[in-house]
Amino acid sequence: DVKVTQSSRYLVKRTGEKVFLECVQDMDHENMFWYRQDPGLGLRLIYFSYDVKMKEKGDIPEGYSVSREKKERFSLILESASTNQTSMYLCASSSTGTGNQPQHFGDGTRLSIL
Amino acid sequence: GESVGLHLPTLSVQEGDNSIINCAYSNSASDYFIWYKQESGKGPQFIIDIRSNMDKRQGQRVTVLLNKTVKHLSLQIAATQPGDSAVYFCAENVRNYGQNFVFGPGTRLSVLP
Repeated sequence: DVKVTQSSRYLVKRTGEKVFLECVQDMDHENMFWYRQDPGLGLRLIYFSYDVKMKEKGDIPEGYSVSREKKERFSLILESASTNQTSMYLCASSSTGTGNQPQHFGDGTRLSIL
Repeated sequence: GESVGLHLPTLSVQEGDNSIINCAYSNSASDYFIWYKQESGKGPQFIIDIRSNMDKRQGQRVTVLLNKTVKHLSLQIAATQPGDSAVYFCAENVRNYGQNFVFGPGTRLSVLP
């Protein structure tokens, strides 16, 4: 089974702090994604990566950056945390196989910015 | 832009009954669809997928139906059990849009004893 592991289940930070959310997958997947999930809004794509050292902006990249130095790890960075970034953050990965491939998710990090 | 929506935000069913969760999508270029289940405190879990060259696919107690004419997707759960209580949402992948998906907001399924 695919295993996507997010380093923290719950995190509390203060406004202005630099926050790192880590995600590791163990299936050698090429593609990795960061989403935030807010009530009534569904999953919104922040950033994604189709390869090591590669990153692309998603739908809501403002206030975030990412790093993919190794294939299995994709980090989300909040450069200067703000209260409107309080949310559930979900990491996902998928393979680049023949045809479409599903995304597999971690259990999320619930981040609170005070 | 593309959107994936659900007709009902909440659905309550009696244990043992069948459940039907619906999803409308707006992009006729979408060619791959997934249903996810998300239990409280957990990440979304893949349930079943379907490609646009099919109109029905069955799994264990679940069936996904795809109606491309009206751009409608449904998830049927047979003999609903308490463990089926969760939020269910659909996702669509647009042809030539790479590996990215558009996700619906979800329907909460509550199974009544």
